[in-house]
Amino acid sequence: SQQGEEDPQALSIQEGENATMNCSYKTSINNLQWYRQNSGRGLVHLILIRSNEREKHSGRLRVTLDTSKKSSSLLITASRAADTASYFCATDAGNQGGKLIFGQGTELSVKP
Amino acid sequence: GAVVSQHPSWVICKSGTSVKIECRSLDFQATTMFWYRQFPKQSLMLMATSNEGSKATYEQGVEKDKFLINHASLTLSTLTVTSAHPEDSSFYICSASLWGGYTFGSGTRLTVV
Repeated sequence: SQQGEEDPQALSIQEGENATMNCSYKTSINNLQWYRQNSGRGLVHLILIRSNEREKHSGRLRVTLDTSKKSSSLLITASRAADTASYFCATDAGNQGGKLIFGQGTELSVKP
Repeated sequence: GAVVSQHPSWVICKSGTSVKIECRSLDFQATTMFWYRQFPKQSLMLMATSNEGSKATYEQGVEKDKFLINHASLTLSTLTVTSAHPEDSSFYICSASLWGGYTFGSGTRLTVV
């Protein structure tokens, strides 16, 4: 079952612009993770934010988490054409044997 | 870092045949592995949780007799799609869990003709 929604479903921006993707979920979580997937490929782990954290940074990535609203956002600053990919959030409830439930994903296209 | 090798990366099979997909943790022992299915332009749907030495736990709606999972060792889990049909064509991805971290295989593109 899907955990929640991501928006937008698709996002097209110019190189150098910032890209913001949002994720909502339904149940209580232990942590929330963001992954990147290039077309037809496996997933690459980007960043993990725990339920007691509100914001986390990693290079050009900034993730926020609002557990009261059950939502998270991923910001990619100064985007590059190589950032073109699908981005998924995934939640770990912490009490389900470690399984991750993925959001619908956002397809990001960065035009040079 | 932890590496998960998934094989094959793509396979084409005839309707009615069975296909086995392997997922190996190369440099660590994975007590738990997860199998996901992804249709084009869609998200990953968890199919089952594979635990070493015990039966897999299947998600609701996933046919356990059709998608056989075997986790015979701490480094290998296999997914066998039995009597495959065109509607089983999809991208299958495994994931290994170690101390709360997750590593994904590169996926297997299955096409049933």
